Amino acid sequence: NAGVTQTPKFRILKIGQSMTLQCTQDMNHNYMYWYRQDPGMGLKLIYYSVGAGITDKGEVPNGYNVSRSTTEDFPLRLELAAPSQTSVYFCASRLQETQYFGPGTRLLVL
Amino acid sequence: AQSVTQLGSHVSVSEGALVLLRCNYSSSVPPYLFWYVQYPNQGLQLLLKYTSAATLVKGINGFEAEFKKSETSFHLTKPSAHMSDAAEYFCAVSEFTGNQFYFGTGTSLTVIP
Repeated sequence: NAGVTQTPKFRILKIGQSMTLQCTQDMNHNYMYWYRQDPGMGLKLIYYSVGAGITDKGEVPNGYNVSRSTTEDFPLRLELAAPSQTSVYFCASRLQETQYFGPGTRLLVL
Repeated sequence: AQSVTQLGSHVSVSEGALVLLRCNYSSSVPPYLFWYVQYPNQGLQLLLKYTSAATLVKGINGFEAEFKKSETSFHLTKPSAHMSDAAEYFCAVSEFTGNQFYFGTGTSLTVIP
């Protein structure tokens, strides 16, 4: 199993551009999560999903959108990139109480 | 509401010395508690978890943590630090029936040869 995979690994965006961060898991987990990690701030939950077709907001959802059309995929969309969205983004899937994290996407908005 | 406080954003220990990383939580209901480790440029890996069974939890790489309800603490320890333990460590909490996880701000562990 590949586990949780994320693409791209690194991206530079200009202010106002849009992009989609991809996340795929091959463990057939119903729960999936998107976090952002900023220095000294730990991980903050952006959105999560409890199954295909169901998503919900976390602590910091503003400026982001998600969809969950399949169990495997949980893409995160940035519509109008802002410097405040410069961060490292982690996707995770969950089985029971344990989360499994992807390697992260480093995003720089200039 | 739930929250996690990790005391000490940076901890340095000598190789072979005791490692103690502190975590206190607040939760209105019985929690699940977790410690994760993050090596540079990698995702988080689960070290250990407390899920209401034994209060002393053993994890990977010789780490363990003790759940103390009276102190609302879940401190991480390792008797003898190894150079490979240098990393960022995160404590996290969730409710038994919750969908969300709340992370502390992390503790960076440096191991001095």
